[in-house]
Amino acid sequence: QQPVQSPQAVILREGEDAVINCSSSKALYSVHWYRQKHGEAPIFLMILLKGGEQKGHDKISASFNEKKQQSSLYLTASQLSYSGTYFCGTEPSYSGAGSYQLTFGKGTKLSVIP
Amino acid sequence: DSGVTQTPKHLITATGQRVTLRCSPRSGDLSVYWYQQSLDQGLQFLIQYYNGEERAKGNILERFSAQQFPDLHSELNLSSLELGDSALYFCASSVEGYGYTFGSGTRLTVV
Repeated sequence: QQPVQSPQAVILREGEDAVINCSSSKALYSVHWYRQKHGEAPIFLMILLKGGEQKGHDKISASFNEKKQQSSLYLTASQLSYSGTYFCGTEPSYSGAGSYQLTFGKGTKLSVIP
Repeated sequence: DSGVTQTPKHLITATGQRVTLRCSPRSGDLSVYWYQQSLDQGLQFLIQYYNGEERAKGNILERFSAQQFPDLHSELNLSSLELGDSALYFCASSVEGYGYTFGSGTRLTVV
């Protein structure tokens, strides 16, 4: 089942902060965050695993509430380069090596203006 | 260069035709995934291969098929194409516990 992202779109001025949320109706093993610029491939930002482990870029922060099946991506001191569409991808369960498919939300379009 | 290679980058074909999209995963990645992205649908999971074997299927039409070869490259075959199949098709690869690395995609236009 597709996770729900909010907001659908947000406009920020440079230097402002934003939070993007991702919510699932299923218990999750991991949540991923990606950024996609128009016409380009999605770029991996961060993975948050059940149990608290996180891996990703140093300048990106996110949280994962396992009990609520929710994750939030925190963008601070936004820069023009942060513009793009942010997707969360959820993995509902761990079924062993190779069972690692993601279901993506519809995306949050972030526009950073000067 | 992400390390995942997709060819061709663009494809224009007529309805009813068949096309093959190719993907070479990043070195060392055993999993290959295919996703379809259209404007109003986001990234839709089609199929996953792991070390040569089909591991999971998503919303893949019967007209579509895929395979992964011993050298781990994968091909997605789309047949009896319809206008609605026009989309960006992404291949991604991964290792367990890490994020996906996406290829640059194949933009398919069916006319």
